[in-house]
Amino acid sequence: KAGVTQTPRYLIKTRGQQVTLSCSPISGHRSVSWYQQTPGQGLQFLFEYFSETQRNKGNFPGRFSGRQFSNSRSEMNVSTLELGDSALYLCASSSGQGDWDTQYFGPGTRLTVL
Amino acid sequence: DQQVKQNSPSLSVQEGRISILNCDYTNSMFDYFLWYKKYPAEGPTFLISISSIKDKNEDGRFTVFLNKSAKHLSLHIVPSQPGDSAVYFCAASARGAQKLVFGQGTRLTINP
Repeated sequence: KAGVTQTPRYLIKTRGQQVTLSCSPISGHRSVSWYQQTPGQGLQFLFEYFSETQRNKGNFPGRFSGRQFSNSRSEMNVSTLELGDSALYLCASSSGQGDWDTQYFGPGTRLTVL
Repeated sequence: DQQVKQNSPSLSVQEGRISILNCDYTNSMFDYFLWYKKYPAEGPTFLISISSIKDKNEDGRFTVFLNKSAKHLSLHIVPSQPGDSAVYFCAASARGAQKLVFGQGTRLTINP
């Protein structure tokens, strides 16, 4: 089975711009979660989508949004970029069902905001 | 409020010996625990997990122990190999929730 894929792998943007990141989950997985990794805050949960609905949300401002399509692929959007948004953005997929569900991560998108 | 803590930022172990990585949690709602291995600029790789109904889970060289009363879990790697050098993250979630809460990570270095 192919793993989780994320595109693009690297992005450079300037302050005030917006960016869209894409994630394709493992085949058959219906849940996609997004995380942000920074040196200061570590790995933090952004949000989770299941069957095209946002099911869980972390403590991030409304500039961070996402969506999921009928084929379970997901996109994450960050508007009005700030310098502090520079981070590794990770997508993870899982079945989304059951009590103990393992998430598998993609390689990440490295976003640099100048 | 850090709900998952890995108090050792780094650990150095000789090749062939046992590596023990520790993790503490504070939220009693957590009942699923996972360990991930991570290289710089890559996504975390799943290693092993344990649910709250067990106190031990083994997979090859990796064993995870869970002490619910102490809210503590540990990952044992035996024997340690040079390829095990990486940052290890402990993560926890509540039952049925997809939100993982991560520790700050422990950098493991295996010395030949």
